Amino acid sequence: GNSVTQMEGPVTLSEEAFLTINCTYTATGYPSLFWYVQYPGEGLQLLLKATKADDKGSNKGFEATYRKETTSFHLEKGSVQVSDSAVYFCALSEGPPRNTDKLIFGTGTRLQVFP
Amino acid sequence: KAGVTQTPRYLIKTRGQQVTLSCSPISGHRSVSWYQQTPGQGLQFLFEYFSETQRNKGNFPGRFSGRQFSNSRSEMNVSTLELGDSALYLCASSSDRVREKLFFGSGTQLSVL
Repeated sequence: GNSVTQMEGPVTLSEEAFLTINCTYTATGYPSLFWYVQYPGEGLQLLLKATKADDKGSNKGFEATYRKETTSFHLEKGSVQVSDSAVYFCALSEGPPRNTDKLIFGTGTRLQVFP
Repeated sequence: KAGVTQTPRYLIKTRGQQVTLSCSPISGHRSVSWYQQTPGQGLQFLFEYFSETQRNKGNFPGRFSGRQFSNSRSEMNVSTLELGDSALYLCASSSDRVREKLFFGSGTQLSVL
């Protein structure tokens, strides 16, 4: 079945460092891919998405490119801030033609950024 | 616009009891999904409702059930609680016009003693 694999955390960085969080997926068809972020005590928020191969999603300095040939969707940011400390989830949607908004999530990667 | 609201925020129950959790989606959203989040299993899909009909279901035992009302509000129920049901239960809603973009509530933290 469909699945998402993320690198284990925690990832610990100093402020302004470069961030990469790896995500690979297994899926039939052409799923959409997402990164969600969860801050302490809160629900998940959509960070960015990509709906087809070679699409690049971007938001708040974060980027991820949908790579079908390597089945990957790695999250990157050029210069992290302390406020980026959170748990990041990679996810895929079974999407059309299935009539569902169900997401399959990776296990999450905790990012800790220190001043 | 108000976000997804889940009540209660925290809940403590004992084994064998049952519990009902509530979710009010963003106004105008007709799709509501439920997820269970635990440190060991991560985020697991429970079920999805659209216009009062269950559209999709995850691999959970029949003790987990849900429903959706005509105003799109949703409830999930867990009967005969087990220790392993302790988790953060997250509700998410989505719009017909922007499919696959889920808006999550802050969750209900359920502790089973």
